[in-house]
Amino acid sequence: DAKTTQPPSMDCAEGRAANLPCNHSTISGNEYVYWYRQIHSQGPQYIIHGLKNNETNEMASLIITEDRKSSTLILPHATLRDTAVYYCIVRPIYNQGGKLIFGQGTELSVKP
Amino acid sequence: EAQVTQNPRYLITVTGKKLTVTCSQNMNHEYMSWYRQDPGLGLRQIYYSMNVEVTDKGDVPEGYKVSRKEKRNFPLILESPSPNQTSLYFCASRKQGRLDTGELFFGEGSRLTVL
Repeated sequence: DAKTTQPPSMDCAEGRAANLPCNHSTISGNEYVYWYRQIHSQGPQYIIHGLKNNETNEMASLIITEDRKSSTLILPHATLRDTAVYYCIVRPIYNQGGKLIFGQGTELSVKP
Repeated sequence: EAQVTQNPRYLITVTGKKLTVTCSQNMNHEYMSWYRQDPGLGLRQIYYSMNVEVTDKGDVPEGYKVSRKEKRNFPLILESPSPNQTSLYFCASRKQGRLDTGELFFGEGSRLTVL
């Protein structure tokens, strides 16, 4: 079972920031938070991951609460091409079994 | 360009006709995996391999076989396909061990229809 909870869908206006929340209240100390997205039946694409500090890369920012029970993925200036399903996943790093458990994700619609 | 390549991308076949979906990666990754994606059920892992000659079952292995004779290739074999194996299939790979950042690289998918 997925260990994260996400809203099933969200809308965002083009050019505005998209803030996608994720609840992972049972996260363990050795588990990282990962975000992937899937654009219309393409292969999922890695976006970002973090442990407890906020992270930023060229695609997005990841804000993790101090208690690590929730996080927010921020797309600072959403474009129409950001319309996709976004998956929040928790996983221990160096997990030998390697499985990422994809839940239902959040379907983000970016509108003109 | 770093990539995971799957073939075929689309296939329509009939029940019982053996087929193989190939997967190849050019990143020297130790770990490779197959997922299937179905509406309402999300992505589910079929099989995975942590290195050459090492494979293990995922959550939904029934009806599938895999092999890992070379590091770069991880074919998915359907010996006797059935209609309930109609699905969208993804191959993925990543580094293993201490170099594992958790980032999985996915192929573009293979849409299989079994009549």
